[in-house]
Formats: sequence, structure tokens, C-alpha cells
Amino acid sequence: EAGVTQSPTHLIKTRGQQATLRCSPISGHTSVYWYQQALGLGLQFLLWYDEGEERNRGNFPPRFSGRQFPNYSSELNVNALELEDSALYLCASSTRLAPNEQYFGPGTRLTVT
Amino acid sequence: GENVEQHPSTLSVQEGDSAVIKCTYSDSASNYFPWYKQELGKGPQLIIDIRSNVGEKKDQRIAVTLNKTAKHFSLHITETQPEDSAVYFCAARDYNKLIFGAGTRLAVHP
Repeated sequence: EAGVTQSPTHLIKTRGQQATLRCSPISGHTSVYWYQQALGLGLQFLLWYDEGEERNRGNFPPRFSGRQFPNYSSELNVNALELEDSALYLCASSTRLAPNEQYFGPGTRLTVT
Repeated sequence: GENVEQHPSTLSVQEGDSAVIKCTYSDSASNYFPWYKQELGKGPQLIIDIRSNVGEKKDQRIAVTLNKTAKHFSLHITETQPEDSAVYFCAARDYNKLIFGAGTRLAVHP
């Protein structure tokens, strides 16, 4: 069974630009979660999508947004990039019946210069 | 909201020794506590979890204990091997999001 996949692996942007990160969940999983892992820090919850709807968001500004498509894949968009947005962005997925068990992808390393 | 603290931040052991990582949480309503292992360049991998109606759970060389009264839970790795070297994260469930500890970098020396 294929795991969670994310693209691109690395992304380099300049301050003020927009970044788009993509995630494909495990087959059969309907929920997608986005986390930010800044260097040397733990994982911070960003967004949760289920059945195409945003269900919850963490303490991040509105320039962090996303969406979930009918095939349950998801996009994370970060507008007006700032230097401190540089981090590893991790996507996780789970089933509706077992929402606790979140399985992570390898992440996208975003560097803002 | 939930807050999770994790100790120690780094842990160095000799191959074959045991390793223990401890976490405390703040929200007594939390009822699910997973542990993740993150190797260099990879995403976190779920290695074991425990629910609030259970005090201990084992899976081969790893075990997790939970003390709901004290609001702390621990990861125990026995007979450590070099491939156990990684960063380990504890987490607590807060609604449908996970609140993570800051991580423990475990180094197992041959």
C-alpha cells in the first residue's frame, strides 16, 4: 500500500512570493492534516481537511490556506512568504473511523530567501 | 488548549541499554497518546500509541506507559540498537489535531 506522498520535495522561494505544496493521502483515507516543522522545533498543527471541508486550523495567519479535492488530495498555499516560513511542511492522513492514527508523508522543505 | 512537554531533549545510550523518554500533558480530557520516530530526511513514523483506558502497551522492544492521574506518559525502548537512533516525538490528541512534544534526539552508540 502506498503511503502519503508529497510534492515537491524541496521548494525555494523569495520573500513575498506564494508557495503551493501538494499532498496525496493513503488510499481510503479521507482526512488530511498539515503540520509545520521549523528547524529545531516540534511539529505545529496548521490545518485539517475532511471530506473537502476545512475542519480546524492552528494558530497561523490567514495567508496559510489550503483546500481538499474530491479525490481527497490536498494543497497548502502560503501567500506573501516571510523568511520565518522556512520549514519542513508535513502532511498526514487518516481514516474517518480512526482519526487518531495519522500517517505522515516525507514532507516538503520550503526555503524562503 | 493542550500543551505537551517532553524530556530529555537529547539522550545518548550504549547499544543494548534501555532508553526512556517522558512526556507530560496538560488537558485531562486528552485520551490518545501516540509516539512517532523521525529519521533524518523522513516524515514521522507512528511506532506505538496508547489510549486513556489502558495503562501500558508493549510491542516487541518498545513499550508505552500512561499515568492519567499524573498526566504523564513514557516511551521505553529495551535492548537498543544503532537503528533506533532518531528523533522521537510524543503527542496528545486535542480534538482531531495532535499536539506534539519538542522531540528527543536518541543516539545509540555501538
